[in-house]
Amino acid sequence: QSVLPQTPSVSGAPGQRVTISCTGSSSNIGAGYDVHWYQQFPGTAPKLLIYGSTNRPSGVPDRFSGSKSGASASLAISGLQAEDEADYYCQSYDSSLSGYVFGTGSRVTVL
Amino acid sequence: QITLKEAGPTLVKPTQTLTLTCTLSGFSVSTGGVGVAWIRQPPGKALEWLALIYWDDDKRYSPSLKSRLTITKDTSKNHVVLTMTNMDPMDTGTYFCAYSRWGSHSIDYWGQGTLVTVSS
Repeated sequence: QSVLPQTPSVSGAPGQRVTISCTGSSSNIGAGYDVHWYQQFPGTAPKLLIYGSTNRPSGVPDRFSGSKSGASASLAISGLQAEDEADYYCQSYDSSLSGYVFGTGSRVTVL
Repeated sequence: QITLKEAGPTLVKPTQTLTLTCTLSGFSVSTGGVGVAWIRQPPGKALEWLALIYWDDDKRYSPSLKSRLTITKDTSKNHVVLTMTNMDPMDTGTYFCAYSRWGSHSIDYWGQGTLVTVSS
């Protein structure tokens, strides 16, 4: 599997909670490799949002959380804010590729 | 402070070879555990991993592009170079270099990216 299917788009009002799913396979997430999440605003480089499936780098608000179960992973945004409107990508390591695999991307819209 | 910066042509013709250089700052490409990856993003589309080189010169390539890619590192200049042969308009996009770590496989720092257009 050369890409990880993601929820294409989600939307919510300010303050609501939204979740994005990322589906892997037995050669990546299902093999036990961690999932990492990135946030990308138009015209800018992605930024690491969650690493090691559940960890937030310093400076990332705690309204962002990650989880992993079996061959899938999820990113949740609680207390949605206007500034969270962006594209989000999951990423993992794939043993069949001996390299990285990215998700298809999810667009978060704040209503 | 870790930073990466991509440099290369903004316009290449079909069938030409693209050469991109990633200049590293705040870390050495020869430090144990360090990896530098290249990732691209066509306009309006998703991220795609291209290649990865580790501190020990271990090199990894996307299977779908392996025949066209070469990644190298220059320890003395502390930079990483990606070459892609036989460029096609479908290769148009923003090319990013990024810092990763062996074992964790997270991409911790990204360059700003450089837009490459393939057109005659």
